[in-house]
Amino acid sequence: QVQLQESGPGVVKPSETLSLTCAVSGYSINTAFYWGWIRQPPGQGLEWIGNMDHTGITFFNPSLKSRVTISPDTSKNQFSLKLTSVTAADTAVYYCVRRVRDRFHWFIDSWGQGTLVAVSS
Amino acid sequence: DIQMTQSPSSVSASVGDRVTITCRASQDINNRLAWFRQKPGKAPKSLMYGASTLLSGVPSKFSGSGSGTDFTLTISSLQPEDLGTYFCQQYISYPLTFGGGTKVEIK
Repeated sequence: QVQLQESGPGVVKPSETLSLTCAVSGYSINTAFYWGWIRQPPGQGLEWIGNMDHTGITFFNPSLKSRVTISPDTSKNQFSLKLTSVTAADTAVYYCVRRVRDRFHWFIDSWGQGTLVAVSS
Repeated sequence: DIQMTQSPSSVSASVGDRVTITCRASQDINNRLAWFRQKPGKAPKSLMYGASTLLSGVPSKFSGSGSGTDFTLTISSLQPEDLGTYFCQQYISYPLTFGGGTKVEIK
């Protein structure tokens, strides 16, 4: 049973960089599948940020692409999210997720518990 | 981007009722649709993919249907543990997009 756990600072100052890590247990991230991030502003819906495949190839939401990096750390079996130049609009609960494959379907099967990041001075 | 529209935005039903949620895509997504439930203060839980295939451990009272642009999620007999917000999501193309959610409450 794969488990994902987000970690990182709960508060980030405006214009600075948000950095989060997702520790994965129960499956090696460099074996297969996609590993990604989704966020949810307080009281709002879900927004896909981006994901990487098991080789580190990435895909990002065009609305965030210029500010986002997702990268693996295979030695620790974890992957990270960096979001630069943050504003109050980036305040959200951030979830890391795994997407798996069944024939033509690439779907999310696992979620981390989420971590709230507030952008505030 | 593919827009996903859910209706209703909220529904209140009694224990034992049949509840149906609709999700519409702005273009043909074949059956590349997933459903999730999010309980208050918790992470979403994956329920279904391929519009109708339940993930392991998801009870059979949940069913899904549809293809192309129109989809439904049905809870056959609503129970208190089913409360929460239900989201649909398309995964046929990037960026992955979600519906706005349907809040299910117990009367």
